[in-house]
Amino acid sequence: DIVMTQSPDSLAVSLGERATINCKSSQSVLYSSNNKNYLAWYQQKPGQPPKLLISWASTRESGVPDRFSGSGSGTDFTLTISSLQAEDVAVYYCQQYYDTPRAFGQGTKVEIK
Amino acid sequence: QVQLQESGPGLVKPSETLSLICTVSGGSISSYYWSWFRQPPGKALEWIGYIYYSGSTTYTPFLKSRVTISVDTSKNEFSLKLSSVTAADTAVYYCARHDAGGVFRYWGQGTLVTVSS
Repeated sequence: DIVMTQSPDSLAVSLGERATINCKSSQSVLYSSNNKNYLAWYQQKPGQPPKLLISWASTRESGVPDRFSGSGSGTDFTLTISSLQAEDVAVYYCQQYYDTPRAFGQGTKVEIK
Repeated sequence: QVQLQESGPGLVKPSETLSLICTVSGGSISSYYWSWFRQPPGKALEWIGYIYYSGSTTYTPFLKSRVTISVDTSKNEFSLKLSSVTAADTAVYYCARHDAGGVFRYWGQGTLVTVSS
């Protein structure tokens, strides 16, 4: 089974500053036949279901602010919030969809410093 | 806009079977894969398993011996049964639709199931 590990578990960032979340998979999620990374990022606010932010490691969903960006390939990925806003306070999860069982990281809690 | 809604008992006794239904509206259940997840209080998301509208299923090995997911295309709904529950199965349970290779774009609001006598 693929295991997803995020770091850090939590971080506090000042408004307007950059937040960076890392995600590492225990094996590559890059599918060689189409050169796509089967890696997604979600945002979850208290009492709400997760919201898909990014698919294919770097493709932002429609309506997601461009301050959110995803990067990486193979086993190492990053979600960056370029200028943290108050509404970005949430827990962020990475998820691999390369194989079953589908797996999420343990989550990274983002707070305002 | 596709909407999903979980329903079922919020309290289940230990050793009994947890049963939930996910009702899909605003779109057909056909031609898609559908998943169940859970999230214990304060913990991360866990994928339970998925079903294709045709009825084929895949479950996480961790719960495979206790889980059954089924679909009723006539009612546009799919269901989850988890047998022999314990307090460790207390969680918010979510249903969601697979899109674009396996991401989850549409989610239900979730339903809290507590296992307690």
